[in-house]
Amino acid sequence: DAKTTQPPSMDCAEGRAANLPCNHSTISGNEYVYWYRQIHSQGPQYIIHGLKNNETNEMASLIITEDRKSSTLILPHATLRDTAVYYCIVRNTGGKLIFGQGTELSVKP
Amino acid sequence: GAVVSQHPSWVICKSGTSVKIECRSLDFQATTMFWYRQFPKQSLMLMATSNEGSKATYEQGVEKDKFLINHASLTLSTLTVTSAHPEDSSFYICSAREGRTSGETQYFGPGTRLLVL
Repeated sequence: DAKTTQPPSMDCAEGRAANLPCNHSTISGNEYVYWYRQIHSQGPQYIIHGLKNNETNEMASLIITEDRKSSTLILPHATLRDTAVYYCIVRNTGGKLIFGQGTELSVKP
Repeated sequence: GAVVSQHPSWVICKSGTSVKIECRSLDFQATTMFWYRQFPKQSLMLMATSNEGSKATYEQGVEKDKFLINHASLTLSTLTVTSAHPEDSSFYICSAREGRTSGETQYFGPGTRLLVL
């Protein structure tokens, strides 16, 4: 199963773009990249996912490199409410989401 | 996105009792449901996967007789922690997915906090 590597923590100024990197160098051709976030004491919230192409929705943008070995989640205008742990997950062939340690994003005023 | 609910949101019980947690998909039919556990300052750990009408598949190290999972309908799965002990105190989170393919999005419930005294 493909694993992901994320920085343990990041800071971002309120109103600025938050760019969260993720490495998944062993990803297989049919595996999707998923991003979730977990605000303290809540269940994870789905953000976005992609296979090959860049994706954008009302929450964020997902940029996947051409070789698919890494991706970046972009929150265009971070707010204090975006403070959370962000998980980058590659779904394995069995279809299960296996969580790593994620990146703890702190948005500061 | 799709909504997944859990009940109760928190529960306190005495050691040796059993606790049932319900997970419901409110606006979609969940072919597959998942149960996770999360200890303080740790990431989510997958406990088991269940498909509607089938027996659950447990991850390595998770006792199936300790954590009973029932997925009797396409909108409801239950997790029963039998003979709970203080070490079972944790944050239990369910998740549901509409289809079986790897591209289907998985949605999470708000979690149930269990404290065993």
